[in-house]
Amino acid sequence: GAGVSQSPSNKVTEKGKDVELRCDPISGHTALYWYRQSLGQGLEFLIYFQGNSAPDKSGLPSDRFSAERTGGSVSTLTIQRTQQEDSAVYLCASSPQGRADTQYFGPGTRLTVL
Amino acid sequence: QKEVEQNSGPLSVPEGAIASLNCTYSDRGSQSFFWYRQYSGKSPELIMSIYSNGDKEDGRFTAQLNKASQYVSLLIRDSQPSDSATYLCAVAGFQKLVFGTGTRLLVSP
Repeated sequence: GAGVSQSPSNKVTEKGKDVELRCDPISGHTALYWYRQSLGQGLEFLIYFQGNSAPDKSGLPSDRFSAERTGGSVSTLTIQRTQQEDSAVYLCASSPQGRADTQYFGPGTRLTVL
Repeated sequence: QKEVEQNSGPLSVPEGAIASLNCTYSDRGSQSFFWYRQYSGKSPELIMSIYSNGDKEDGRFTAQLNKASQYVSLLIRDSQPSDSATYLCAVAGFQKLVFGTGTRLLVSP
């Protein structure tokens, strides 16, 4: 079956612009996670959804970052007024029932802020 | 102190040798531990999980866990050039994974 998909695969934007990153989880997976990976770094947790609600938003780095999930499926991560330090690969993962060990990752979106 | 620590490497081993990758974690209450492999430009792929003290073997991979020492390791036997990648250690918190920065492994033919 289809895995986790993310779009766009690459996004280049100018400082100060808003961007939206999309994640389509595996069908039927109730949990969805967003991570950020900066060059040469590990994965930084951003936010976790169970269904459409986000019980853990603790990783969002600032109020410029927000995310939503609709219909228990697609999620959108929005970054407002992008800064150069937002440049990173944004990874989405989903899991069947919110078990951390069964997370399946998407291919990521590489964001470059000029 | 970082929650999950790994040596960034690179760790260089010749083909056929045993590669040993190490990870320490700070939360003594952690119960679940994972190793992900990440090829350059690709997303992480789960290769091992371990929950109990001791060893867990899967093919050429062995995960080792010592909760008293807050230490988890991954051994790769008969290393192959195709094993060259970054290996990420992850510890499960409440419904999320905390990752280390990864160790880059280079296996030379």
